[in-house]
Amino acid sequence: GENVEQHPSTLSVQEGDSAVIKCTYSDSASNYFPWYKQELGKGPQLIIDIRSNVGEKKDQRIAVTLNKTAKHFSLHITETQPEDSAVYFCAASYFGNEKLTFGTGTRLTIIP
Amino acid sequence: ETGVTQTPRHLVMGMTNKKSLKCEQHLGHNAMYWYKQSAKKPLELMFVYSLEERVENNSVPSRFSPECPNSSHLFLHLHTLQPEDSALYLCASSQSGLAGNEQFFGPGTRLTVL
Repeated sequence: GENVEQHPSTLSVQEGDSAVIKCTYSDSASNYFPWYKQELGKGPQLIIDIRSNVGEKKDQRIAVTLNKTAKHFSLHITETQPEDSAVYFCAASYFGNEKLTFGTGTRLTIIP
Repeated sequence: ETGVTQTPRHLVMGMTNKKSLKCEQHLGHNAMYWYKQSAKKPLELMFVYSLEERVENNSVPSRFSPECPNSSHLFLHLHTLQPEDSALYLCASSQSGLAGNEQFFGPGTRLTVL
C-alpha cells in the first residue's frame, strides 16, 4: 500500500519569512496530492491540492510543487503570518480511490 | 448547520461502558469516513462508507462498530474500549467518483478511556 513520509515534524519561522514542508510517497500510481491545515480544536481543512499532470500550483501565498520522478511534493508558504500557525498534513491518493494516505503532520509556528 | 458536524465533542468513558459517536454531513456527499488521530501518528483511516455500503475496514478491532443508516449520517458504536483507544475521532465526507477526493472533516470527538 501507499506510504507517505513528511518532514519536518516541527517548524518555526519568523513572521514574514517562508516555510517549506516536504513529503515523499511510495506508490507510483498515486496522482492526487492534497494538503490539509488543522487548527487547534478543528478538523483538517483542505488548503491546496495538485494532480500529477501539473508540476506546480499556486494560490496566493501558498504553492505546491510535485516531482513525480522523485516521488516527492512540497508545500511552500510565503510571507508567513501568525494565522498560518497550525498543523499541516500532506496526503496521497489516486482518482476514484476513496482512501487518502496521510503524512504524520508538521506543526508550523510563526514567531511574531 | 453546515459542513460536517460531530457529537459529542468530548467524551470520557470507562472500559466497560457503551457509547456512540455521531456524525452528520450537510454537503450532499455520498461517502463518509471515520479516522483516528493520535499524537505523533498519521491520521488512521478506520472505516469508509460509499453509497451507504462499507467499502473499507482497516483492520479495526471489533470493539469499534460503525453504522451508516443513510448517506448523511454515520455512527461509531464503542464498547469495552481500552485506554490506548483514547484519541481524537474524526469524521469526514466526500463526493465519491469525482476527480480527486477532497474530504471535508468535522471538528472531531475527543475520546478519553479511563
